[in-house]
Amino acid sequence: EVQLVESGGGLVQPGGSLRLSCAASGFTFSSYTMSWVRQAPGKGLEWVSTFSGSGDSTYYADSVKGRFAISRDNSKNTLYLQMNSLRAEDTAVYYCVGSLDYWGQGTLVTVSS
Amino acid sequence: DIVMTQTPLSSPVTLGQPASISCRSSQSLVHSDGITYLNWLQQRPGQPPRLLIYKISNRFSGVPDRFSGSGAGTDFTLKISRVEAEDVGIYYCTQATQFPWTFGQGTKVEI
Repeated sequence: EVQLVESGGGLVQPGGSLRLSCAASGFTFSSYTMSWVRQAPGKGLEWVSTFSGSGDSTYYADSVKGRFAISRDNSKNTLYLQMNSLRAEDTAVYYCVGSLDYWGQGTLVTVSS
Repeated sequence: DIVMTQTPLSSPVTLGQPASISCRSSQSLVHSDGITYLNWLQQRPGQPPRLLIYKISNRFSGVPDRFSGSGAGTDFTLKISRVEAEDVGIYYCTQATQFPWTFGQGTKVEI
């Protein structure tokens, strides 16, 4: 059974940092393109970042470029998202996504003073 | 960026009746490899999204055959042949042809 389990969300002050993790199982993690997609409360879906399954290519939405960094550890089947200089508008549920096939349950990030 | 526009944004449906959602992209979704990376997602209330249809018309594993996708180029459609109660939720089209990946605004399907 495929599982994507996110962790690391929580309440953080504006300007602060968080590191999200996503533990994957049930599929060949190393060959999958992995992404983060977020959803602000009551809003639609927004793509955040992607790490390719082949090679080391990474991609970012303009809204997070320079502040967020995606990485992966294939030996641990884990995807990460380092989030720095957080803003109120980054408040959302962050989903870990395998290709677009598999979605985690999400982890809530709240940026507020 | 490719803009994805869905219509309608809200779709009251009757159980057992068909439903249809349209999605239009601001530019062609045909990738240089010849594949059109247009997908449909379903998000039930309180749940994460799940993949229904990939590459225009391919049903993902476990998706009932009452769901079907069609289209080409910039115009795409998701159809539900006979709506069931479990189909209530928000449906999104999304393109993965080029970065940034983008999503439609979502169509709320309600009984």
